Amino acid sequence: EDQVTQSPEALRLQEGESSSLNCSYTVSGLRGLFWYRQDPGKGPEFLFTLYSAGEEKEKERLKATLTKKESFLHITAPKPEDSATYLCAVRGHSGGYQKVTFGIGTKLQVIP
Amino acid sequence: EAGVTQFPSHSVIEKGQTVTLRCDPISGHDNLYWYRRVMGKEIKFLLHFVKESKQDESGMPNNRFLAERTGGTYSTLKVQPAELEDSGVYFCASSPRLAGDNEQFFGPGTRLTVL
Repeated sequence: EDQVTQSPEALRLQEGESSSLNCSYTVSGLRGLFWYRQDPGKGPEFLFTLYSAGEEKEKERLKATLTKKESFLHITAPKPEDSATYLCAVRGHSGGYQKVTFGIGTKLQVIP
Repeated sequence: EAGVTQFPSHSVIEKGQTVTLRCDPISGHDNLYWYRRVMGKEIKFLLHFVKESKQDESGMPNNRFLAERTGGTYSTLKVQPAELEDSGVYFCASSPRLAGDNEQFFGPGTRLTVL
């Protein structure tokens, strides 16, 4: 069974203080690792898909990287509007074709 | 382009009652998914439709849950009879038919409270 572990569960940063969120995963044949952002009272909002080790993707202050065992979401010089819960999810070859397994998320708070 | 919509946004019912949640996917999206997040836990997959056909319902908790997608457009998720442990936020998501391993677009969720 696919598993996703995210750390830390919560992170508080000062505005401009860069940091990284971790997503460790076990999956039988990775078919995609996804990062989502979720604001309170809303559904997850897609950020990135990574497919193979060594792959990197960037969007504004966010950069996602992937190894064979984990993914990192690097946040450079965060702003208060980056405050949200960041979710990691994987899709593997086991289970249904489109089944996605989520981690519990990292709640990020950026203080002005 | 309108996003995924869900109705109602909140529902409070008593144990033993029936509740029906509705999801309208993005127009033209053949894939529709249901997920649930119980408080303090991760989002869990429930099932996946391709048009009106159930492709994978391995995440459905038990036979008190019934999902339908008549005509391949909107979907309903009925819980009958509801139990206390059914409380949580139910998310619907959709993706285009040929999305492959691409992203799913999520709705805002329905918060269900069973008393």
